[in-house]
Amino acid sequence: GAGVSQTPSNKVTEKGKYVELRCDPISGHTALYWYRQSLGQGPEFLIYFQGTGAADDSGLPNDRFFAVRPEGSVSTLKIQRTERGDSAVYLCASSSIRWETQYFGPGTRLLVL
Amino acid sequence: AQSVTQPDIHITVSEGASLELRCNYSYGATPYLFWYVQSPGQGLQLLLKYFSGDTLVQGIKGFEAEFKRSQSSFNLRKPSVHWSDAAEYFCAVGAGGTSYGKLTFGQGTILTVHP
Repeated sequence: GAGVSQTPSNKVTEKGKYVELRCDPISGHTALYWYRQSLGQGPEFLIYFQGTGAADDSGLPNDRFFAVRPEGSVSTLKIQRTERGDSAVYLCASSSIRWETQYFGPGTRLLVL
Repeated sequence: AQSVTQPDIHITVSEGASLELRCNYSYGATPYLFWYVQSPGQGLQLLLKYFSGDTLVQGIKGFEAEFKRSQSSFNLRKPSVHWSDAAEYFCAVGAGGTSYGKLTFGQGTILTVHP
Protein backbone atom coordinates (compact mmCIF):
# COMPACT_ATOMS: atom_id res chain seq x y z
CA GLY A 1 0.00 0.00 0.00
CA ALA A 2 0.91 3.65 -0.19
CA GLY A 3 3.22 5.06 2.40
CA VAL A 4 3.31 8.50 3.97
CA SER A 5 3.53 11.21 1.34
CA GLN A 6 4.63 14.81 1.75
CA THR A 7 4.29 17.75 -0.56
CA PRO A 8 6.09 19.65 -1.82
CA SER A 9 9.33 17.71 -1.79
CA ASN A 10 11.26 20.98 -1.93
CA LYS A 11 10.23 24.50 -1.06
CA VAL A 12 12.28 27.66 -1.50
CA THR A 13 10.91 30.83 0.00
CA GLU A 14 12.05 34.24 1.09
CA LYS A 15 12.49 35.44 4.62
CA GLY A 16 9.22 36.72 6.01
CA LYS A 17 6.96 34.67 3.74
CA TYR A 18 4.30 32.17 4.80
CA VAL A 19 4.60 28.46 3.88
CA GLU A 20 2.41 25.40 4.17
CA LEU A 21 3.73 21.86 4.18
CA ARG A 22 1.36 18.95 3.62
CA CYS A 23 1.40 15.41 4.93
CA ASP A 24 -0.77 12.51 3.77
CA PRO A 25 -0.51 9.68 6.30
CA ILE A 26 -1.02 6.00 5.67
CA SER A 27 -4.72 5.33 5.31
CA GLY A 28 -6.32 4.42 8.61
CA HIS A 29 -3.47 5.66 10.78
CA THR A 30 -4.91 7.70 13.63
CA ALA A 31 -1.66 9.21 14.92
CA LEU A 32 0.40 11.71 12.94
CA TYR A 33 3.70 13.32 13.88
CA TRP A 34 5.79 16.21 12.61
CA TYR A 35 9.56 16.39 13.08
CA ARG A 36 12.22 18.81 11.89
CA GLN A 37 15.68 17.69 10.86
CA SER A 38 18.40 20.27 10.59
CA LEU A 39 21.61 19.54 8.72
CA GLY A 40 23.78 17.07 10.60
CA GLN A 41 21.22 16.49 13.31
CA GLY A 42 18.66 13.87 14.19
CA PRO A 43 14.97 14.59 13.77
CA GLU A 44 13.47 16.85 16.42
CA PHE A 45 9.87 16.38 17.53
CA LEU A 46 7.46 19.20 16.78
CA ILE A 47 3.88 18.04 17.30
CA TYR A 48 1.76 14.92 17.40
CA PHE A 49 -1.91 14.44 16.57
CA GLN A 50 -4.22 11.73 17.78
CA GLY A 51 -7.18 12.01 15.44
CA THR A 52 -8.00 15.66 14.85
CA GLY A 53 -6.54 17.02 18.05
CA ALA A 54 -2.97 17.92 18.92
CA ALA A 55 -2.03 15.53 21.73
CA ASP A 56 1.37 17.11 22.26
CA ASP A 57 2.64 20.33 20.68
CA SER A 58 5.51 20.87 23.06
CA GLY A 59 8.08 20.78 20.29
CA LEU A 60 6.78 23.72 18.29
CA PRO A 61 9.57 26.30 18.61
CA ASN A 62 7.38 29.42 18.76
CA ASP A 63 4.00 30.80 17.76
CA ARG A 64 5.04 31.18 14.11
CA PHE A 65 4.56 27.43 13.78
CA PHE A 66 1.10 25.92 13.67
CA ALA A 67 -0.30 22.60 12.48
CA VAL A 68 -3.78 21.35 11.77
CA ARG A 69 -5.44 18.05 10.99
CA PRO A 70 -9.09 19.01 10.54
CA GLU A 71 -10.51 15.67 9.39
CA GLY A 72 -8.12 13.34 11.16
CA SER A 73 -6.23 12.43 8.02
CA VAL A 74 -4.18 14.99 6.06
CA SER A 75 -2.17 17.45 8.12
CA THR A 76 -0.71 20.83 7.24
CA LEU A 77 2.24 22.43 9.00
CA LYS A 78 2.09 26.21 8.67
CA ILE A 79 5.00 28.53 9.22
CA GLN A 80 4.44 32.29 9.34
CA ARG A 81 7.07 34.98 8.83
CA THR A 82 9.72 32.43 7.91
CA GLU A 83 13.27 32.95 9.09
CA ARG A 84 16.51 31.58 7.68
CA GLY A 85 16.82 29.38 10.75
CA ASP A 86 13.64 27.56 9.73
CA SER A 87 15.56 25.96 6.85
CA ALA A 88 15.49 22.21 7.44
CA VAL A 89 13.86 19.00 6.30
CA TYR A 90 10.39 18.66 7.76
CA LEU A 91 9.41 15.04 8.30
CA CYS A 92 5.99 13.59 8.82
CA ALA A 93 5.21 10.17 10.26
CA SER A 94 2.08 8.22 11.05
CA SER A 95 1.20 5.23 13.16
CA SER A 96 -1.82 3.06 13.78
CA ILE A 97 -1.85 3.52 17.55
CA ARG A 98 0.06 6.17 19.43
CA TRP A 99 2.90 4.01 20.66
CA GLU A 100 3.01 1.88 17.53
CA THR A 101 5.83 1.98 15.00
CA GLN A 102 6.04 5.29 13.16
CA TYR A 103 6.27 5.26 9.38
CA PHE A 104 8.08 8.25 7.99
CA GLY A 105 7.55 10.15 4.78
CA PRO A 106 10.40 11.36 2.54
CA GLY A 107 10.26 14.87 3.98
CA THR A 108 9.92 18.40 2.65
CA ARG A 109 13.18 20.28 2.29
CA LEU A 110 12.53 23.92 3.16
CA LEU A 111 15.06 26.59 2.25
CA VAL A 112 14.48 30.13 3.46
CA LEU A 113 16.58 32.70 1.60
CA ALA B 1 13.13 14.66 29.80
CA GLN B 2 14.57 11.86 27.75
CA SER B 3 17.76 12.14 25.70
CA VAL B 4 19.84 9.98 23.39
CA THR B 5 23.57 10.07 22.78
CA GLN B 6 25.28 8.47 19.82
CA PRO B 7 28.97 8.94 20.60
CA ASP B 8 30.25 8.13 17.12
CA ILE B 9 29.47 10.68 14.43
CA HIS B 10 31.15 8.70 11.67
CA ILE B 11 32.26 5.05 11.46
CA THR B 12 34.10 3.36 8.62
CA VAL B 13 34.24 -0.41 8.22
CA SER B 14 35.30 -2.81 5.51
CA GLU B 15 32.71 -4.89 3.73
CA GLY B 16 32.29 -8.19 5.53
CA ALA B 17 33.51 -6.83 8.86
CA SER B 18 31.35 -6.75 11.96
CA LEU B 19 29.65 -3.56 13.09
CA GLU B 20 28.57 -2.07 16.38
CA LEU B 21 26.93 1.35 16.65
CA ARG B 22 26.62 2.77 20.13
CA CYS B 23 23.57 4.36 21.70
CA ASN B 24 23.08 5.59 25.25
CA TYR B 25 19.78 6.93 26.49
CA SER B 26 18.53 8.82 29.47
CA TYR B 27 14.98 8.14 30.58
CA GLY B 28 13.40 7.66 33.97
CA ALA B 29 11.15 4.71 33.26
CA THR B 30 11.36 1.66 31.04
CA PRO B 31 12.10 3.11 27.63
CA TYR B 32 10.79 2.29 24.22
CA LEU B 33 13.91 2.12 22.04
CA PHE B 34 14.30 2.23 18.29
CA TRP B 35 16.93 2.16 15.59
CA TYR B 36 16.19 3.83 12.26
CA VAL B 37 18.25 4.00 9.07
CA GLN B 38 18.24 6.89 6.62
CA SER B 39 19.75 6.51 3.16
CA PRO B 40 20.39 9.55 0.96
CA GLY B 41 17.11 10.77 -0.48
CA GLN B 42 15.15 8.18 1.47
CA GLY B 43 12.85 8.45 4.43
CA LEU B 44 13.67 7.00 7.81
CA GLN B 45 13.16 3.25 7.92
CA LEU B 46 12.68 1.32 11.14
CA LEU B 47 15.32 -1.38 11.67
CA LEU B 48 14.15 -2.70 15.02
CA LYS B 49 12.47 -1.76 18.27
CA TYR B 50 12.50 -2.74 21.92
CA PHE B 51 9.40 -2.38 24.06
CA SER B 52 9.81 -5.11 26.69
CA GLY B 53 10.75 -8.75 27.10
CA ASP B 54 13.82 -10.29 25.54
CA THR B 55 16.64 -7.78 25.67
CA LEU B 56 18.16 -8.99 22.40
CA VAL B 57 15.97 -7.91 19.52
CA GLN B 58 16.27 -8.90 15.89
CA GLY B 59 15.50 -6.53 13.09
CA ILE B 60 15.47 -6.32 9.35
CA LYS B 61 18.53 -6.60 7.09
CA GLY B 62 20.37 -8.82 9.58
CA PHE B 63 20.63 -6.20 12.33
CA GLU B 64 20.19 -6.85 16.04
CA ALA B 65 20.37 -4.72 19.16
CA GLU B 66 20.76 -5.45 22.84
CA PHE B 67 19.07 -3.47 25.60
CA LYS B 68 21.25 -3.16 28.69
CA ARG B 69 19.42 -1.36 31.47
CA SER B 70 22.47 -1.25 33.75
CA GLN B 71 24.43 0.62 31.08
CA SER B 72 21.50 2.62 29.66
CA SER B 73 22.56 1.37 26.27
CA PHE B 74 20.93 -0.01 23.15
CA ASN B 75 23.77 -0.81 20.76
CA LEU B 76 23.13 -1.91 17.20
CA ARG B 77 25.13 -4.78 15.73
CA LYS B 78 25.57 -6.65 12.51
CA PRO B 79 27.98 -9.57 12.09
CA SER B 80 28.91 -8.89 8.47
CA VAL B 81 28.39 -5.53 6.80
CA HIS B 82 27.36 -5.18 3.17
CA TRP B 83 28.16 -2.18 0.97
CA SER B 84 24.44 -1.41 0.84
CA ASP B 85 24.44 -0.78 4.60
CA ALA B 86 26.20 2.55 4.06
CA ALA B 87 23.75 5.11 5.43
CA GLU B 88 23.05 7.19 8.50
CA TYR B 89 21.71 5.43 11.58
CA PHE B 90 19.61 6.98 14.30
CA CYS B 91 18.81 5.68 17.75
CA ALA B 92 15.62 6.98 19.34
CA VAL B 93 13.75 6.70 22.62
CA GLY B 94 9.99 6.96 22.96
CA ALA B 95 8.28 8.71 25.83
CA GLY B 96 5.65 7.11 28.00
CA GLY B 97 2.72 8.67 29.73
CA THR B 98 0.57 10.77 27.44
CA SER B 99 3.21 11.10 24.74
CA TYR B 100 4.09 7.58 23.70
CA GLY B 101 4.67 8.78 20.16
CA LYS B 102 7.11 11.56 20.94
CA LEU B 103 10.43 10.16 19.78
CA THR B 104 13.72 11.72 20.83
CA PHE B 105 16.51 10.98 18.38
CA GLY B 106 20.26 10.95 18.71
CA GLN B 107 22.29 13.02 16.28
CA GLY B 108 23.06 10.00 14.14
CA THR B 109 26.05 7.91 13.08
CA ILE B 110 27.15 7.95 9.46
CA LEU B 111 28.36 4.54 8.30
CA THR B 112 30.83 4.29 5.43
CA VAL B 113 31.59 0.85 4.01
CA HIS B 114 34.86 0.24 2.16
CA PRO B 115 35.00 -2.53 -0.44
